[in-house]
Amino acid sequence: SQQGEEDPQALSIQEGENATMNCSYKTSINNLQWYRQNSGRGLVHLILIRSNEREKHSGRLRVTLDTSKKSSSLLITASRAADTASYFCATPISSGSARQLTFGSGTQLTVLP
Amino acid sequence: DSGVTQTPKHLITATGQRVTLRCSPRSGDLSVYWYQQSLDQGLQFLIQYYNGEERAKGNILERFSAQQFPDLHSELNLSSLELGDSALYFCASSVDSFMNTEAFFGQGTRLTVV
Repeated sequence: SQQGEEDPQALSIQEGENATMNCSYKTSINNLQWYRQNSGRGLVHLILIRSNEREKHSGRLRVTLDTSKKSSSLLITASRAADTASYFCATPISSGSARQLTFGSGTQLTVLP
Repeated sequence: DSGVTQTPKHLITATGQRVTLRCSPRSGDLSVYWYQQSLDQGLQFLIQYYNGEERAKGNILERFSAQQFPDLHSELNLSSLELGDSALYFCASSVDSFMNTEAFFGQGTRLTVV
């Protein structure tokens, strides 16, 4: 079963606008990660936010984490056509003697030129 | 470039056949993870190895197996292939086995079973 669920499933915006994606998860976490996937390609790590952090920035990306609501958001400011991709949140889940990333279903972002 | 290498990039095979997917992790990473991505199931964790030892199993079918070799490269073996096994198979690597840092993904192997 999915640990994280992104919302919305699809988002279409104009170049220059901001894009906000949300992620909800079910169990306690020590960090939450966001990844981007261009069509049919590998996933690229964007940002990691730890459970004791509330907000983190990286370039045009801003991630927030609310552990009380078990939710996170990814904001991409001043979007570009090159930002068109699927965005996934991922949380480490314990299994066996280790942890693995469990991914949500993703948000498909389309930025129109 | 993530530093994780997967081969082959594409594979087309018939039902009932067996294939082997190969992954070389990023230099210095001891953990290797295999994921399957299909349209209806999303990204599903299959199996994890750390420094040659299996650490966790996810939704991996009994027809599938994997191993990590002393040089840390890993292979995923898929046998008695069915049409439903058609998917993108990703390998990822990380420094530790507890996901305290990010994972690095390869470009994937697209498997088509006909």
